[in-house]
Amino acid sequence: TQLLEQSPQFLSIQEGENLTVYCNSSSVFSSLQWYRQEPGEGPVLLVTVVTGGEVKKLKRLTFQFGDARKDSSLHITAAQPGDTGLYLCAGGDYGQNFVFGPGTRLSVLP
Amino acid sequence: DTGVSQDPRHKITKRGQNVTFRCDPISEHNRLYWYRQTLGQGPEFLTYFQNEAQLEKSRLLSDRFSAERPKGSFSTLEIQRTEQGDSAMYLCASSWGTTNTEAFFGQGTRLTVV
Repeated sequence: TQLLEQSPQFLSIQEGENLTVYCNSSSVFSSLQWYRQEPGEGPVLLVTVVTGGEVKKLKRLTFQFGDARKDSSLHITAAQPGDTGLYLCAGGDYGQNFVFGPGTRLSVLP
Repeated sequence: DTGVSQDPRHKITKRGQNVTFRCDPISEHNRLYWYRQTLGQGPEFLTYFQNEAQLEKSRLLSDRFSAERPKGSFSTLEIQRTEQGDSAMYLCASSWGTTNTEAFFGQGTRLTVV
């Protein structure tokens, strides 16, 4: 069974600070997705990474896929209150379903 | 296309009743997934379809749960004889292809069993 762990579980920071959250597994994934979810809503896809070592940027968000395709990180620069939410990583494997981590709950205080 | 659509958004039911949820995927997406999410947790996989074929079911999907995708388009998830432990957000997602690069989620159906 493929499992994903995320750290930290909770993170509360002030507006303007930088942060990094992590997604780790002992399994190799063909792709990894990051989602943000707000209360009462479904997860919204932020990015997909598929190549080991790949780095993608989405405005103030930087996503990196580990060389061995077992882990990933999400770095947010100058966090804003609008970044508040549950950040989920999900691993995909050829022909299989998506496996989700438990999420990192981020709170950005104004 | 407006994305993945789920209906209803909210459902309150009495213990022991049956409930059915509907999911309309993004058009032309051949894969459709059902997940369940409880408060403070990540989504847990229930089942997925490729076209009309149900390819995988989680052990979480007890005999009281059944899912269908009869024409390879919309899907239904039925829970029979609901229990309080079934209270959760039920999420549907869809994707294209067979290599699982990304999935797009609906807004979910919040089920409360009283």
